[in-house]
Amino acid sequence: KQEVTQIPAALSVPEGENLVLNCSFTDSAIYNLQWFRQDPGKGLTSLLLIQSSQREQTSGRLNASLDKSSGRSTLYIAASQPGDSATYLCAVRTGNQFYFGTGTSLTVIP
Amino acid sequence: GAVVSQHPSWVICKSGTSVKIECRSLDFQATTMFWYRQFPKQSLMLMATSNEGSKATYEQGVEKDKFLINHASLTLSTLTVTSAHPEDSSFYICSAPMGGAYQPQHFGDGTRLSIL
Repeated sequence: KQEVTQIPAALSVPEGENLVLNCSFTDSAIYNLQWFRQDPGKGLTSLLLIQSSQREQTSGRLNASLDKSSGRSTLYIAASQPGDSATYLCAVRTGNQFYFGTGTSLTVIP
Repeated sequence: GAVVSQHPSWVICKSGTSVKIECRSLDFQATTMFWYRQFPKQSLMLMATSNEGSKATYEQGVEKDKFLINHASLTLSTLTVTSAHPEDSSFYICSAPMGGAYQPQHFGDGTRLSIL
């Protein structure tokens, strides 16, 4: 069964810093990997989707990379802002199943 | 705008009540939808896969008689928590992939269920 792990579980940085969130998965046979943001008590907002054949995707200050063979993905956030404070989840699609990581709780301090 | 609509967003009810949560795909058809549960400070756990026109597929440990899923049309799946108890209090979220296996998953805003 696919297992998805995110490190670190929590992260606190001063505003303006660049940061990296990590996601690892045990089964490399995935269709795609998706990064989400979740604000407290809210649903999920999709940030980036990387297909299994792709190496990275970029959207604004966000860049996500995928190394399928090693079972890893990173989400890079440039010039962090207090509004980036949220929980970030990665999810991999294997067959018709989606598996979520444990999440990284990010706090950006003004 | 939202592509998946979930209602209600918050429910508070007494123990023993049955609660129905709706998940609708907007402007696209979803033959498959997914239901997740999230406990505080934990990640999403897949409960079941809802299949239009056939029975839902439940994950191990999820009681199918407790969590009734109906996917009666290509745009609507419902989750009914039957005879809810305080331990069923949680955040329930549905999702629907738009298109095939390589398409992104879109989520509803979730339903916070509190059983007194």
